[in-house]
Amino acid sequence: DAGVTQSPTHLIKTRGQQVTLRCSPKSGHDTVSWYQQALGQGPQFIFQYYEEEERQRGNFPDRFSGHQFPNYSSELNVNALLLGDSALYLCASSFERGRGETQYFGPGTRLLVL
Amino acid sequence: DAKTTQPPSMDCAEGRAANLPCNHSTISGNEYVYWYRQIHSQGPQYIIHGLKNNETNEMASLIITEDRKSSTLILPHATLRDTAVYYCIVRVAYNTDKLIFGTGTRLQVFP
Repeated sequence: DAGVTQSPTHLIKTRGQQVTLRCSPKSGHDTVSWYQQALGQGPQFIFQYYEEEERQRGNFPDRFSGHQFPNYSSELNVNALLLGDSALYLCASSFERGRGETQYFGPGTRLLVL
Repeated sequence: DAKTTQPPSMDCAEGRAANLPCNHSTISGNEYVYWYRQIHSQGPQYIIHGLKNNETNEMASLIITEDRKSSTLILPHATLRDTAVYYCIVRVAYNTDKLIFGTGTRLQVFP
């Protein structure tokens, strides 16, 4: 049973650039949540997608956007990158329509903005 | 803000039980206690969750006090691979609401 996968594993960008991160949920899951984890901090919720719609959003600017595809996979896009966007970006999946509401995390994408 | 309070760090000898406490004095009646851990630079790993009864699985045991204001995660025989940051989270279960992480407890297991 494949778990949550994310790509790429590492990424280096410069200020002002744009980045797209990808996530494939655990088999059977239909909900994807994205988190940002700065060094030494706990993960912070960015937003959640269900049925291809953004359902919840944390305190992140509009530079952060996302998308969910019909196969439940998801992308996180960040525009106009800032140095402070350097972090580990985590994707978590869960199953909305069942009792398996536990969120399972992928390995993350480490983004470095120079 | 996180609704839980955990000690910032703990040590445990390999082979001994690791008991990680968590305070959640404002927990609501429909909120469960979840535990995750994060080994260095990896994604958080789900461990266990419970409402009011003690729970046990292949990874750990969760003991919740009768008033539900605190809980303890028990790793019965800690190994070096259990060295990680452990997060205690309260949230409504059977609901895909966001997880609110605090700063967790950094558990160091030593030989």
